[in-house]
Amino acid sequence: QVQLVESGGGLVKPGGSLRLSCAASGLTFSDYYMSWIRQAPGKGLEWVSYISSSGDYINYADSVKGRFTISRDNAKNSVYLQINSLRAEDTAVYYCASLGRTGDLDYWGQGTLVTVSS
Amino acid sequence: QSVLTQPPSASGTPGQRVTISCFGGSSDIGGNPVNWYQQLPGTAPKLLIYLNTQRPSGVPDRFSGSKSGTSASLAISGLQSEDEADYYCAAWDDSLNVVVFGGGTKLTVL
Repeated sequence: QVQLVESGGGLVKPGGSLRLSCAASGLTFSDYYMSWIRQAPGKGLEWVSYISSSGDYINYADSVKGRFTISRDNAKNSVYLQINSLRAEDTAVYYCASLGRTGDLDYWGQGTLVTVSS
Repeated sequence: QSVLTQPPSASGTPGQRVTISCFGGSSDIGGNPVNWYQQLPGTAPKLLIYLNTQRPSGVPDRFSGSKSGTSASLAISGLQSEDEADYYCAAWDDSLNVVVFGGGTKLTVL
């Protein structure tokens, strides 16, 4: 049974930083591209970033480019999202998900809430 | 504003068939498979349909997907109260090299 478990969310002041983690089990993690998607309160899904299985290809949404950094550790079956220079509009539940070869997000975690407020 | 366009709401009565549309362009739906996600209240999204028409294991065959050109549809037949959820379409975008989502459709079972 595949499980993705996010952690690291919390309340942070504008301009602050957080590091989100996503621990995977039940799948051959090193075979999978991984992605972060976020959902602001009461809003729809917004893709944030993805990283290739080996970590050598990465892309970001324009809204987070230069502030967010995705990384992974295949030995620890984990993917991370370093989020810096946080803004109020970054307030959201952040989900990690595995990204299939045809663009399908086949497994999702339960999400971790990031709240940016002074 | 979302790249893919969905109606914000849809509704039906138990047993009815409802469809949800999703419109895109040549760089997303026009050139790539469409996937649909179901998000039940208070939970994480779940893959409902992939590769336009395929259902992951465990998804009832009441759910079906189709695609034509730059648009796609999700159909739910024999509507049940537990189908009340938000539904999102998504596809890979070749020009942006990202996954793009629709704005979501809130389905109400009357």
